[in-house]
Amino acid sequence: SQTIHQWPATLVQPVGSPLSLECTVEGTSNPNLYWYRQAAGRGLQLLFYSVGIGQISSEVPQNLSASRPQDRQFILSSKKLLLSDSGFYLCAWRTGNEKLFFGSGTQLSVL
Amino acid sequence: AQSVTQPDIHITVSEGASLELRCNYSYGATPYLFWYVQSPGQGLQLLLKYFSGDTLVQGIKGFEAEFKRSQSSFNLRKPSVHWSDAAEYFCAVGVREGFKTIFGAGTRLFVKA
Repeated sequence: SQTIHQWPATLVQPVGSPLSLECTVEGTSNPNLYWYRQAAGRGLQLLFYSVGIGQISSEVPQNLSASRPQDRQFILSSKKLLLSDSGFYLCAWRTGNEKLFFGSGTQLSVL
Repeated sequence: AQSVTQPDIHITVSEGASLELRCNYSYGATPYLFWYVQSPGQGLQLLLKYFSGDTLVQGIKGFEAEFKRSQSSFNLRKPSVHWSDAAEYFCAVGVREGFKTIFGAGTRLFVKA
């Protein structure tokens, strides 16, 4: 069966520090991968999506970047975190137009 | 541009009462529509989806939703709410470009005894 792993679950980082969040998927191949951010009291904002290795599409201009070095690995990064980067980050995958499968999320606090 | 509107930020209903959560979407083609539920600090779980066919779709946990093309709506309903239904509910539309899913801002459901 398919599973999605996202880590860490919680992260507290100082302003200006780098960031790397990792997401891996098992049990499927060539998935579409997504990074969403959920700010407190707000909906899910699509940050990046990828339809294949090395293919990244950015939905909003921001301080973050994403990479897909392997078929089932999706990484969210930042060189210097801002206070506004705080939020709940969710990785998700799907094949075709079926439902999204979500990871358990990373709560990022930038102080 | 594609968008999803959930006009109610939060709703409070009594346990055992009926529930309707509103959702309107904007998308030029035939949409794929979803309702997800999120418990605090967790990822999202799919309640139901509409791709085509019968406009009234049944989901898990006794939820249903009706697609009304003329109103660009996909409202979620449940005839009798249980305290365990308290959570945040997200309506979403799937778009073909990049197989993206666009979410609404969510509606937080509170259930009172």
